[in-house]
Amino acid sequence: AQSVTQPDIHITVSEGASLELRCNYSYGATPYLFWYVQSPGQGLQLLLKYFSGDTLVQGIKGFEAEFKRSQSSFNLRKPSVHWSDAAEYFCAVAPNTNAGKSTFGDGTTLTVKP
Amino acid sequence: DTAVSQTPKYLVTQMGNDKSIKCEQNLGHDTMYWYKQDSKKFLKIMFSYNNKELIINETVPNRFSPKSPDKAHLNLHINSLELGDSAVYFCASSQDLPRQVRGYTFGSGTRLTVV
Repeated sequence: AQSVTQPDIHITVSEGASLELRCNYSYGATPYLFWYVQSPGQGLQLLLKYFSGDTLVQGIKGFEAEFKRSQSSFNLRKPSVHWSDAAEYFCAVAPNTNAGKSTFGDGTTLTVKP
Repeated sequence: DTAVSQTPKYLVTQMGNDKSIKCEQNLGHDTMYWYKQDSKKFLKIMFSYNNKELIINETVPNRFSPKSPDKAHLNLHINSLELGDSAVYFCASSQDLPRQVRGYTFGSGTRLTVV
């Protein structure tokens, strides 16, 4: 079975600074990988996904993520954070035999300082 | 316009009661899910239906029973509610085809509080 770890429970960055949120997965082959964002009181919104091809994927809201097979990682990045990016971020992994069965990480809370 | 809609948004009820949460999606997706998010924001899958057929049934008390009358609807019925059932329940849907993985579309959640 697959698993996913988000090592950082809480990250604080200043507005305008760059951001990197870490995600590590465990799976026997290349899985499907996702990042979702959850604003307070809202459901989750898909930011980006990876399942094959170019290992650097672009998403919505200026986010990107890079798949590194050698490190079993799929870190999320943004070059310049806006105050509206403050939210909970979830990494998710699904087996390449069943994209529908996603396992979510425990989430990283992002706080943005003015 | 709402893609995945859940009702009610908030539900406060007493222990021992039976309640239902409804979910509808207008995206034409084949698969629907129920996830539970606890107070620490951990997300755990509960059930998944594909074209009205149950395909994922995680370790969930049998007090929880999903019902899918058609592929656009997935309801969750909970019997004999307990304090520990208090959480936010999310419905989601997906349409993943070979080489076209799209991820989930989530509803905005139902916050269940058992008192």
